[in-house]
Amino acid sequence: RKEVEQDPGPFNVPEGATVAFNCTYSNSASQSFFWYRQDCRKEPKLLMSVYSSGNEDGRFTAQLNRASQYISLLIRDSKLSDSATYLCVVSNSGGYQKVTFGIGTKLQVIP
Amino acid sequence: EAGVTQFPSHSVIEKGQTVTLRCDPISGHDNLYWYRRVMGKEIKFLLHFVKESKQDESGMPNNRFLAERTGGTYSTLKVQPAELEDSGVYFCASSQLGQGAYGYTFGSGTRLTVV
Repeated sequence: RKEVEQDPGPFNVPEGATVAFNCTYSNSASQSFFWYRQDCRKEPKLLMSVYSSGNEDGRFTAQLNRASQYISLLIRDSKLSDSATYLCVVSNSGGYQKVTFGIGTKLQVIP
Repeated sequence: EAGVTQFPSHSVIEKGQTVTLRCDPISGHDNLYWYRRVMGKEIKFLLHFVKESKQDESGMPNNRFLAERTGGTYSTLKVQPAELEDSGVYFCASSQLGQGAYGYTFGSGTRLTVV
């Protein structure tokens, strides 16, 4: 079983739609959680950290459910520029050392 | 502020040859990490330096891979001899001490192709 599981997609959604991505992790001792964004042939970039209380950044909302070992990312009012691969990232060491990446979920926003 | 710089951006070598990848972290970033993405797979951790010391090298695939970080500044990752399965994109990331993944900045990667 993979440490971090994601549906690779692709998710094809029209502009303005709301889309949600999910991710599950296998290690119950995991401490820190992140969503990264990766554009084609580019490096990953931190989108947001994920906290148990949930957090929001503009059109993006991230949620963590420790009991179910489940992380989600919600994107509202999708823009063409949101097209990218979204990587679920987990750390077992409070984020202070290595992290484990999911395979990534590809999003394509269609005009 | 200059970002994390990696070079070369692309490298094509023959099986059995040697390749050295270089990473220049953001100035003042004591943490330096190497990751690799093999086509169709997840990005995987290779190793972590704190200054010039190897903190964790549990992800290094085998002894054909050698990483160094001279003087705690730039880092090199040497593959000798290269095998076909070493093909992939090698990413370097750096962060300040105490920040770890909360402050990761990735370089744009080196795309290695072994033929």
